[in-house]
Amino acid sequence: EAQVTQNPRYLITVTGKKLTVTCSQNMNHEYMSWYRQDPGLGLRQIYYSMNVEVTDKGDVPEGYKVSRKEKRNFPLILESPSPNQTSLYFCASSWASGSSYEQYFGPGTRLTVT
Amino acid sequence: AQKVTQAQTEISVVEKEDVTLDCVYETRDTTYYLFWYKQPPSGELVFLIRRNSFDEQNEISGRYSWNFQKSTSSFNFTITASQVVDSAVYFCALSEEMDSSYKLIFGSGTRLLVRP
Repeated sequence: EAQVTQNPRYLITVTGKKLTVTCSQNMNHEYMSWYRQDPGLGLRQIYYSMNVEVTDKGDVPEGYKVSRKEKRNFPLILESPSPNQTSLYFCASSWASGSSYEQYFGPGTRLTVT
Repeated sequence: AQKVTQAQTEISVVEKEDVTLDCVYETRDTTYYLFWYKQPPSGELVFLIRRNSFDEQNEISGRYSWNFQKSTSSFNFTITASQVVDSAVYFCALSEEMDSSYKLIFGSGTRLLVRP
């Protein structure tokens, strides 16, 4: 089944403890992206990647890192999480880089930082 | 600046009623794409439709229909004969050709509750 998977789905952590949220897609998609969803704000892009080893900042990149060593994986790293990073995170992928392609989303990761 | 506005925060209807979700967008780009996504209570985001800025033809898919009007910068979504399973948060989104990040710019969403 074609899908985007994320792990973990739920995570409660403490301020400053490094964590990684994994994202993997099995559709051979070139483009991958991370968004965060906050009440009343919709979804906002954190980072994106147009292909292996090509990543760039989105609209809200502060406090996050990403890497794209393989085409299928695009982990999101929070080196020192803070409470304002409590959010619902979505990974997305699309077949190629371009504004016309629909993005397919993972199931989401609900992160709480205390 | 690019922006998507979904003015209806929450709508409640009784099953079998028709309901329209409004979406208004702002962009300076001449080539852009509009999307609707559904987020059911389980939380995932489900792609519903994509429209490009040169195609103003309305689209119908079963009980769903979309009305795109460039003159009013709107891309409204209508559910005919709503069902309880339609209860979800619906997001309208915009993607601009000129934006090299190819990000989706989302509205804040409209929560639809369909009561039996």
